[in-house]
Amino acid sequence: LAKTTQPISMDSYEGQEVNITCSHNNIATNDYITWYQQFPSQGPRFIIQGYKTKVTNEVASLFIPADRKSSTLSLPRVSLSDTAVYYCLVGGAIYNQGGKLIFGQGTELSVKP
Amino acid sequence: EAGVAQSPRYKIIEKRQSVAFWCNPISGHATLYWYQQILGQGPKLLIQFQNNGVVDDSQLPKDRFSAERLKGVDSTLKIQPAKLEDSAVYLCASSFPRGTEAFFGQGTRLTVV
Repeated sequence: LAKTTQPISMDSYEGQEVNITCSHNNIATNDYITWYQQFPSQGPRFIIQGYKTKVTNEVASLFIPADRKSSTLSLPRVSLSDTAVYYCLVGGAIYNQGGKLIFGQGTELSVKP
Repeated sequence: EAGVAQSPRYKIIEKRQSVAFWCNPISGHATLYWYQQILGQGPKLLIQFQNNGVVDDSQLPKDRFSAERLKGVDSTLKIQPAKLEDSAVYLCASSFPRGTEAFFGQGTRLTVV
């Protein structure tokens, strides 16, 4: 499984765009990139998943360069409620038997007023 | 749609005692995961089931931890005997066989004293 590296913490202010970058130099051809969000005292929650280029949903955008060795989660106009830990996961799609969800340390995002 | 149900929410036991956690996944979800999350760390995968078969239990301390998923639905995770370092939140997650995301329960917070 590809190892991921992301910043331990980030600070931002309300209304700003936040970009969290994750590096995964040894990503495999079949690997997908998935981001989860976790609030205190709750289980992680799926945010977005992608394989290449750009994926956008109502919550975030995911940018993946052509070499796929890194990815960037973009949160537009953050609010205080976006304060959470964000995890970048790389692995086989879970709809393939054996697809695993392996979490790293995560990035603790703190949004200030 | 009902989410992943876990019980109990909190448990305090003395070291060397035994404890069991229960998980009821979302209906139709064939894949079930158990994670251990120590304070300040990302979730660590303990065991993954596909229906009632084990896909991965490489990180499960089998001398004291056991898990089962009877009939491919509910699952229980047991610790016997517990150690102080088992104090953590135990998270259960489930996913469709061909889904792209996993859904997490709120977890069980275990304190071993």
